[in-house]
Amino acid sequence: AQSVSQHNHHVILSEAASLELGCNYSYGGTVNLFWYVQYPGQHLQLLLKYFSGDPLVKGIKGFEAEFIKSKFSFNLRKPSVQWSDTAEYFCAVSPTGGGNKLTFGTGTQLKVEL
Amino acid sequence: EAGVAQSPRYKIIEKRQSVAFWCNPISGHATLYWYQQILGQGPKLLIQFQNNGVVDDSQLPKDRFSAERLKGVDSTLKIQPAKLEDSAVYLCASSPDDRDTEAFFGQGTRLTVV
Repeated sequence: AQSVSQHNHHVILSEAASLELGCNYSYGGTVNLFWYVQYPGQHLQLLLKYFSGDPLVKGIKGFEAEFIKSKFSFNLRKPSVQWSDTAEYFCAVSPTGGGNKLTFGTGTQLKVEL
Repeated sequence: EAGVAQSPRYKIIEKRQSVAFWCNPISGHATLYWYQQILGQGPKLLIQFQNNGVVDDSQLPKDRFSAERLKGVDSTLKIQPAKLEDSAVYLCASSPDDRDTEAFFGQGTRLTVV
């Protein structure tokens, strides 16, 4: 069975600061990797995903993530955060070919202060 | 494009009562998922449907939870009888198929069992 660890449960940043959220997974086979975001009062939305190919994935709103296979990691980054990035961020994994049978991490609550 | 619709948005019931949640996926989406998100945790997959058939219900507590997707469109998730630990947000998601495509989530139903 797969598992996902997100190391930062709460992160507070000032606007324009750089962001990196850690995500590590455990699974014996090949995986698809995802980052989802949930803005206050809204539904989960896909930020970016990795299925194969270039391990550096670019998503919406200036986010990117890098898949490092040797470290079982898929960290999320953004060079300069905005107040509107305040949200909860979830890392998720599914087995390759497993569609959206997702295993989620516990989430990171990001607060961006003006 | 209309998103995944869920109702009700909120429900409060007493333990041992029964409750049902409804989901209407995006039109044409063959695959439907129900996830349970307990406060402070990431969503956990309960059941996956492909059209009107169950693909995976290995994590569904079948002694009290049931789900159906008649005619391969709308789905209902039922809990009978409810326990205090069932308090959670129940999320429905749909995707075009069961391959590696994006899943779209509804806003969820927040259940409180008192």
